[in-house]
Amino acid sequence: DGGITQSPKYLFRKEGQNVTLSCEQNLNHDAMYWYRQDPGQGLRLIYYSQIVNDFQKGDIAEGYSVSREKKESFPLTVTSAQKNPTAFYLCASSIDHLGAGAGELFFGEGSRLTVL
Amino acid sequence: AQSVAQPEDQVNVAEGNPLTVKCTYSVSGNPYLFWYVQYPNRGLQFLLKYITGDNLVKGSYGFEAEFNKSQTSFHLKKPSALVSDSALYFCAVRDSWNNNDMRFGAGTRLTVKP
Repeated sequence: DGGITQSPKYLFRKEGQNVTLSCEQNLNHDAMYWYRQDPGQGLRLIYYSQIVNDFQKGDIAEGYSVSREKKESFPLTVTSAQKNPTAFYLCASSIDHLGAGAGELFFGEGSRLTVL
Repeated sequence: AQSVAQPEDQVNVAEGNPLTVKCTYSVSGNPYLFWYVQYPNRGLQFLLKYITGDNLVKGSYGFEAEFNKSQTSFHLKKPSALVSDSALYFCAVRDSWNNNDMRFGAGTRLTVKP
């Protein structure tokens, strides 16, 4: 079935370590996004990519990095520079990027990162 | 910049009763409005959207939402609630004048009691 696969579902990190969250989609969508979810705050955009080899910062990009080498893949690295990384991370895709059209987002199941 | 507000953190209804989850928005251009549902430790699932046309939009699982331009609202409704509808609901908005951004509300937790 088509969809978005995020891994790992749960991840524990020690302070000072970088971690990478995987996001793969087989929906043939051009646009992909990373959101962070904290209790009571809704979703906040970290990075988005409209096309391969291109990505843009969202509202809270500091301490995060991404790459988009393939259409299907959009991994997120949480670096040691991110001061409060414990959160639920959601990857999403859409058939059109947010600058054109009005397509809805399709979400993965999320990755919960806990810093020990 | 566009924004969306969900004024209720929590909504409680009895099974079989109608439910309403409220959402108001602010945009510069025309709004594109969305509702999503999230179950515990899961991703968000799309329920319905309003782009243009009929103000009453029907979506998945018997949900519907009414777009009201004068009140800048897009409330989610269901005529008869089920216990399985208990979840976290998010309203989201995109602005036709600033389409590079989808803003989410803080979410409303719906609890349907038997």
